[in-house]
Amino acid sequence: NAGVTQTPKFQVLKTGQSMTLQCAQDMNHNSMYWYRQDPGMGLRLIYYSASEGTTDKGEVPNGYNVSRLNKREFSLRLESAAPSQTSVYFCASSEGDTTTGELFFGEGSRLTVL
Amino acid sequence: GEDVEQSLFLSVREGDSSVINCTYTDSSSTYLYWYKQEPGAGLQLLTYIFSNMDMKQDQRLTVLLNKKDKHLSLRIADTQTGDSAIYFCADSSASKIIFGSGTRLSIRP
Repeated sequence: NAGVTQTPKFQVLKTGQSMTLQCAQDMNHNSMYWYRQDPGMGLRLIYYSASEGTTDKGEVPNGYNVSRLNKREFSLRLESAAPSQTSVYFCASSEGDTTTGELFFGEGSRLTVL
Repeated sequence: GEDVEQSLFLSVREGDSSVINCTYTDSSSTYLYWYKQEPGAGLQLLTYIFSNMDMKQDQRLTVLLNKKDKHLSLRIADTQTGDSAIYFCADSSASKIIFGSGTRLSIRP
């Protein structure tokens, strides 16, 4: 059982380049999330999707777009990368919303923007 | 807005107890969680406590909640080298979850 799978695991971009982080879960979860993790700042929510076909902004959505392609997949796109977006990105899923359920995390994608 | 605070580092001797502390500001919390992150991995749920409980014990883990002071702690008894990780406190309410900055636990021989 793979759980939550993220690709790529590592990526280096130049300022202004675009890229998409892919995430897929095989647990039939309704909700999916994208977080970024920065040193000393914990995890901050970028975007989430409570169900297939819906997406909502989190705490730090600027500079990002998301697509909930189907129930399994939730992608995060950086249209014009900036050095401030250097971070480790985590995709997560949960059966319901986060108030009562466990979040299951992928292994993370480390992005460096030069 | 809501906030969750933790100290960044804790070092303990192998076999001793570790106590990781957390404070939160949201008075409408429903669940409070402890997640563990091992090197190079994502977070995994370690344990949780419902907001109307004072204590929860699960093998070597004890969670204490002081709702009046908005203080949560995680005690790990008989700390082992495999407990080296970053521990995140998280607070959930109103369909969102707020994570602390994480406490890095290191174990001395």
